[in-house]
Amino acid sequence: ETGVTQTPRHLVMGMTNKKSLKCEQHLGHNAMYWYKQSAKKPLELMFVYNFKEQTENNSVPSRFSPECPNSSHLFLHLHTLQPEDSALYLCASSQDRGPSYEQYFGPGTRLTVT
Amino acid sequence: GQNIDQPTEMTATEGAIVQINCTYQTSGFNGLFWYQQHAGEAPTFLSYNVLDGLEEKGRFSSFLSRSKGYSYLLLKELQMKDSASYLCAVMDSNYQLIWGAGTKLIIKP
Repeated sequence: ETGVTQTPRHLVMGMTNKKSLKCEQHLGHNAMYWYKQSAKKPLELMFVYNFKEQTENNSVPSRFSPECPNSSHLFLHLHTLQPEDSALYLCASSQDRGPSYEQYFGPGTRLTVT
Repeated sequence: GQNIDQPTEMTATEGAIVQINCTYQTSGFNGLFWYQQHAGEAPTFLSYNVLDGLEEKGRFSSFLSRSKGYSYLLLKELQMKDSASYLCAVMDSNYQLIWGAGTKLIIKP
């Protein structure tokens, strides 16, 4: 049990669909992250929230839209995705941003865009 | 640009020792992390090094040389459950983690 949960675990969607990924952390952390993990590639940081405020947006296409209503919940809204967006989407949290704070990861959502 | 290099795959024998290397070039340095990721599961934290030297934690040890931009993860007394991918990540000057592509470790009986 890592303390970070993600739903759904698997998602298949067409390019015209709209769906949302949900992440919840039960660790009392202040920072939350969305990552994309593609096969044999490094983890790609997408978004960072610290105390509910977005602090990083690493040139992510607008078809990905994050939402952080409170410090425990993080959403990733998806619309008009492309097949190359198929990947594992990982949510993580850390006590704070800064040196030595390790990130705790959820199990991920395996997304397939058809 | 920022870059983390680690071998794609390694094979070792149960009970043996294996060393997984990681070299990095980043904008600033605020520490190096090692994570373990079993297939289909979340990455889990193994170690953090910010000063040069060796950090030992049970069967796992991690070494850092900042002047060489180099780290390794040492796994002793290998067990079948150690079969996983091992991810090296460096925290840059913006407190972002820059990740390597991971090393898949295969343990054979």
